[in-house]
Amino acid sequence: GAGVSQSPRYKVAKRGQDVALRCDPISGHVSLFWYQQALGQGPEFLTYFQNEAQLDKSGLPSDRFFAERPEGSVSTLKIQRTQQEDSAVYLCASSPGLETEAFFGQGTRLTVV
Amino acid sequence: SQKIEQNSEALNIQEGKTATLTCNYTNYSPAYLQWYRQDPGRGPVFLLLIRENEKEKRKERLKVTFDTTLKQSLFHITASQPADSATYLCALGGSYIPTFGRGTSLIVHP
Repeated sequence: GAGVSQSPRYKVAKRGQDVALRCDPISGHVSLFWYQQALGQGPEFLTYFQNEAQLDKSGLPSDRFFAERPEGSVSTLKIQRTQQEDSAVYLCASSPGLETEAFFGQGTRLTVV
Repeated sequence: SQKIEQNSEALNIQEGKTATLTCNYTNYSPAYLQWYRQDPGRGPVFLLLIRENEKEKRKERLKVTFDTTLKQSLFHITASQPADSATYLCALGGSYIPTFGRGTSLIVHP
């Protein structure tokens, strides 16, 4: 595809349920980022991959959050035992290298009820 | 701690005027700064990148300045149009991870 694709677009989860959010980056992009965006706020960094290596996961809010990119392309963000405070838009971005523009997907809006 | 400040109040201007948005930062020495546009329900879209050794950058109706002494970037849209209405985010990069401000909403009235 031409851009970064995220699925699902919307997800409603019951509290305590596990969810998995998928990101298809632009083909050939080395860097992949996950951000969390609350309403009216800017994107907050969660984790960063360079190819398949997770180089930084300092932004993950708790050990309930887990991300992987096993083959250096598609990435999955998993949230276990979801809680209401996890409700937010989860954005994925990819870029061809370092210190270059990031291309964002449309995001997955997660609502935990 | 590192802090990025963008005006939380919406900027309302009349069509045709120049919009100026501000991004201030503290406790940070970014190697570069980026500006993104975000429309409701969409992901941010990259507009411009300016590096620490650059004072100014232009792209069509957009202009960005970067003052590392004042720790401030200004983002200008000249001859603004209603279609420019959106939230504008600044992002600072010192390592490989862009850190975003909360954004400023711009509303251009016809």
